Amino acid sequence: QVTLRESGPALVKPTQTLTLTCTFSGFSLTTTGMCVTWIRQPPGKALEWLARIDWDDDEYYSASLRTRLTISKDTSKNQVVLTMMNMDPMDTGTYYCARLTHSTHVLDVWGQGTPVTVSS
Amino acid sequence: QSVLTQPPSVSGAPGQRVTISCTGSNSNIGAGYAVHWYRQLPGTAPKVFIYDNDSRPSGVPDRVSGSKAGSSGALAITGLQADDEGDYYCQSYDNSLRSVVFGGGTKVTVL
Repeated sequence: QVTLRESGPALVKPTQTLTLTCTFSGFSLTTTGMCVTWIRQPPGKALEWLARIDWDDDEYYSASLRTRLTISKDTSKNQVVLTMMNMDPMDTGTYYCARLTHSTHVLDVWGQGTPVTVSS
Repeated sequence: QSVLTQPPSVSGAPGQRVTISCTGSNSNIGAGYAVHWYRQLPGTAPKVFIYDNDSRPSGVPDRVSGSKAGSSGALAITGLQADDEGDYYCQSYDNSLRSVVFGGGTKVTVL
């Protein structure tokens, strides 16, 4: 059974750096074709794709957020970490990680999400 | 502004058919990339509803169908029921942006 779970702070201050961890089980990020991706959703708004890391260490970022994001993986711990610099109240929302299958780019299993509020 | 375009809302009476369109371009759906659909209920994470244009995960009833033609995809629900309400998102891949792309979401309401 494939599961993913996000963890991180619920509250960050403006200008701070957010660090979120996605801990997964049921698959390996060393397996060809496996990828983990991050998505966020502001309250009442649509899904927004953020970043992705692949089994072969390739990294991809949203063009609009590229300068603020870093994604990394620790295959020994089955974790993917997303950092977002210079947080702003507009970054408030729920952050999800999901497994992505490289062949068709489907996000087939999602974590439950973790809410993040940016406020002083 | 989402890369894929969906109607903000659709509605129908119980038993009717509703269709949600998802319009892209020749750098995503029109380039041959698959269309996937997710359903999101309030306060929960999205779940795959249709994948690879027209495939249903186990548990999704056969009155739900997906299709793709040209640069657009569509999700159809027949025999509409009250528990079909929710938010539905389409998703594909864009080779110009090199990124996953989503539609803006469609709220389905059963009248």
